Amino acid sequence: QVQLEESGGGVVQPGRSLRLSCAASGFIFSSYGMHWVRQAPGKGLEWVAVISYDGSNKYYADSVKGQFTISRDNSKNTLYLQMNSLRAEDTAVYYCAKDRVAIVTFPTLFDYWGQGTLVTVSS
Amino acid sequence: QSVLTQPPSASGTPGQRVTISCSGSSSNIGSNYVYWYQQIPGTAPKLLIYRNNQRPSGVPDRFSGSKSGTSASLAISGLRSEDEADYYCAAWDDSLSAHVVFGGGTKLTVL
Repeated sequence: QVQLEESGGGVVQPGRSLRLSCAASGFIFSSYGMHWVRQAPGKGLEWVAVISYDGSNKYYADSVKGQFTISRDNSKNTLYLQMNSLRAEDTAVYYCAKDRVAIVTFPTLFDYWGQGTLVTVSS
Repeated sequence: QSVLTQPPSASGTPGQRVTISCSGSSSNIGSNYVYWYQQIPGTAPKLLIYRNNQRPSGVPDRFSGSKSGTSASLAISGLRSEDEADYYCAAWDDSLSAHVVFGGGTKLTVL
């Protein structure tokens, strides 16, 4: 079955960087686009970024463009999110999520989600 | 302020039918598929409806989705206590740069 396991969260000071990872199993990782979605404490869902199945296309939310970078290593079945210049408003649970359809020219939306990793930006 | 507009709350008694609305615009719901997610507090969201009205395997047929123009709705019939959760609609948005937009979420209470 599809499993997505995020890691790398924790407490970080404002202005510092953090890299999240998402280990995938149970499906052909290299055939699916992958997303990051975040949820601030007590708030709703906010889409962060998506990367195509082969890494050739990436799309970002305006709120993180130029600050976050999504990437993937298909040889390791792992998705990444490099987060730089972190601010208090980046505090959230970060979920990785699998795109619903394989090998598409444009991503769809997500079917499976990981359990999330909490990032707290605080001095 | 979410791009897609949902009522913040909804409620019903066991066995009832409830509907949750999701309003958008021509750049999102009006031109793209709508997805619905259920999130029980403290857990990850779960896909309920994709492509406006399709149910993944394992999702009971008590859940149904529809779309008309720039609005969509999720209906839950035969309400059960385990349906108490937050519900989110989502869609791609084609304005300026492509991105995904969510509704603000609707907290469903089963009375």
